[in-house]
Amino acid sequence: DAKTTQPNSMESNEEEPVHLPCNHSTISGTDYIHWYRQLPSQGPEYVIHGLTSNVNNRMASLAIAEDRKSSTLILHRATLRDAAVYYCILRGRKTSYDKVIFGPGTSLSVIP
Amino acid sequence: NAGVMQNPRHLVRRRGQEARLRCSPMKGHSHVYWYRQLPEEGLKFMVYLQKENIIDESGMPKERFSAEFPKEGPSILRIQQVVRGDSAAYFCASSSYGQYTEAFFGQGTRLTVV
Repeated sequence: DAKTTQPNSMESNEEEPVHLPCNHSTISGTDYIHWYRQLPSQGPEYVIHGLTSNVNNRMASLAIAEDRKSSTLILHRATLRDAAVYYCILRGRKTSYDKVIFGPGTSLSVIP
Repeated sequence: NAGVMQNPRHLVRRRGQEARLRCSPMKGHSHVYWYRQLPEEGLKFMVYLQKENIIDESGMPKERFSAEFPKEGPSILRIQQVVRGDSAAYFCASSSYGQYTEAFFGQGTRLTVV
């Protein structure tokens, strides 16, 4: 499985932007970059995904480096509700059998 | 469109009993994944199923654990002769075909073995 590397923890002030980095230097050309997050005592929830181009949705933006070896999840204005563990995951197209494997993720704290 | 439904949300079992955890995927999804999360730890992949088939069970303990996803009805994760170390949150996710599709998670079943 292609690996990702994320910082263990990050802090942000409320209402400020947050940039969560992810390195995936062994990414293959057909791997999609997915982000999920897990709020305390809840199941993980999908945030965003992309292949090559930057992506925006109502929750966040995903900026993908030109060489695709890294990406950044951007929360434009952090709220207390955004305090969660954020997971960066690669999902491949090599075979039709694919499982979503979680690393340790980044624990984001939001300071009021 | 209802999300992924897991039941029960909380389950208490005595040591040696059986635990059955149910997962109804989102409508139209034929892929189901089970994960276990021990207290203060990360999500660990257990098993990946498609309708009537186990595709990957590399994360399942070799004994006492089994999973199925029948043609009709929910996916079931079954734990026989539970021990205290089985106490954890068990999450189910579903997706449609394709690695570019997102997986949707249920709220989990919190199993407590007393």
